[in-house]
Amino acid sequence: QVQLVQSGAEVKKPGSSVKVSCKASGGTFSSYAISWVRQAPGQGLEWMGRIIPILGIANYAQKFQGRVTITADKSTSTAYMELSSLRSEDTAVYYCARDLSELELRAFDIWGQGTMVTVSS
Amino acid sequence: QSALTQPASVSGSPGQSITISCTGTSSDVGSYNLVSWYQQHPGKAPKLMIYEVSKRPSGVSNRFSGSKSGNTASLTISGLQAEDEADYYCCSYAGSSTFWVFGGGTKLTVL
Repeated sequence: QVQLVQSGAEVKKPGSSVKVSCKASGGTFSSYAISWVRQAPGQGLEWMGRIIPILGIANYAQKFQGRVTITADKSTSTAYMELSSLRSEDTAVYYCARDLSELELRAFDIWGQGTMVTVSS
Repeated sequence: QSALTQPASVSGSPGQSITISCTGTSSDVGSYNLVSWYQQHPGKAPKLMIYEVSKRPSGVSNRFSGSKSGNTASLTISGLQAEDEADYYCCSYAGSSTFWVFGGGTKLTVL
């Protein structure tokens, strides 16, 4: 069974960048889209963007365009999400989530454990 | 403000049924049968409960069911159990420019 294991918690200064990793183990990686979803404290889920590793194509939510970069390393089955120009409102738990089917939009069936990113001066 | 509208909270007694609504627009819920529902317990990652409006992943209880009418999708939980108490989020595909939008979440309390 595929598992997504994310990197550990981060504390960042306003204006800096953070890069969170999401490593897949136990199954196919490259042909499944990986999305990044964040959740601010006490708030709902927010989709940030996705990547299909085998195609190297990333799509971003308009809100994060220009500030987020999602990449993937097929050789290590790891996806990355880098968010720049951090502000306090970016304080959240960041999740990676894998699509239910290969190369097909359906839903997110496997989630990472989440990475807490705190932005504070 | 979330793209999809859900009630902030719902409640029910053990054994009862509840329904959570998820209202979108003709650009998302109304246009695609790609509505999914996620259950999230405190401090945990979301779990897929329903996909493509009404399909259940393997291992999800048949007490959970989904439907859609127009721009509104619904999640129904029958035979409420204490472990169903959690937050529930709907999600819909919204086209190739926006991709995925979530609802604001509904807190289910089992009385």
